[in-house]
Amino acid sequence: DVKVTQSSRYLVKRTGEKVFLECVQDMDHENMFWYRQDPGLGLRLIYFSYDVKMKEKGDIPEGYSVSREKKERFSLILESASTNQTSMYLCASSLDRGMNTEAFFGQGTRLTVV
Amino acid sequence: GEDVEQSLFLSVREGDSSVINCTYTDSSSTYLYWYKQEPGAGLQLLTYIFSNMDMKQDQRLTVLLNKKDKHLSLRIADTQTGDSAIYFCAPRGGGKLIFGQGTELSVKP
Repeated sequence: DVKVTQSSRYLVKRTGEKVFLECVQDMDHENMFWYRQDPGLGLRLIYFSYDVKMKEKGDIPEGYSVSREKKERFSLILESASTNQTSMYLCASSLDRGMNTEAFFGQGTRLTVV
Repeated sequence: GEDVEQSLFLSVREGDSSVINCTYTDSSSTYLYWYKQEPGAGLQLLTYIFSNMDMKQDQRLTVLLNKKDKHLSLRIADTQTGDSAIYFCAPRGGGKLIFGQGTELSVKP
């Protein structure tokens, strides 16, 4: 089974802190994604990556950056956390750019910024 | 950019059929997915349909696609309490999935 693991289920951070959310997949997938999920807004794409050291902005990249130094790991970075970044963060991976490749999701990290 | 719209809530009684609707704007979507999210969990792929199909049936699930109107629906027959979850429509635009807001299905015994 494909496994996508997010390092934390729950995080509480202070405003202004630098926050790292880690995601690891174990199936040699090329594509990795970071979404945030908010009630009534569904999932919104923050950043995605098709390959190592490659990244592309999603729909809401402001206030975030990402790092993909190894194929299996995709990190989301909040340079200076703010309260409006309190949310559920979901990482996903998929095999390649082919049109029918299922995306596998991690369990999510619920981040609270106080 | 691409847009996907779903109603936020649906409530049905156990044993009834549920129909969850979705409209989208990206006409280039080749595959259209339905994902299910149970409480406290990530999303799991439920089913999908290829854009040259009108209908796909998979056990209790029926997906209908009206490509002209850019309308997708998911019908769950004989809905059970275990079907209570949030259902996301996700057309695939280019290399990325675009998600709707999610429809929270509540099944009452």
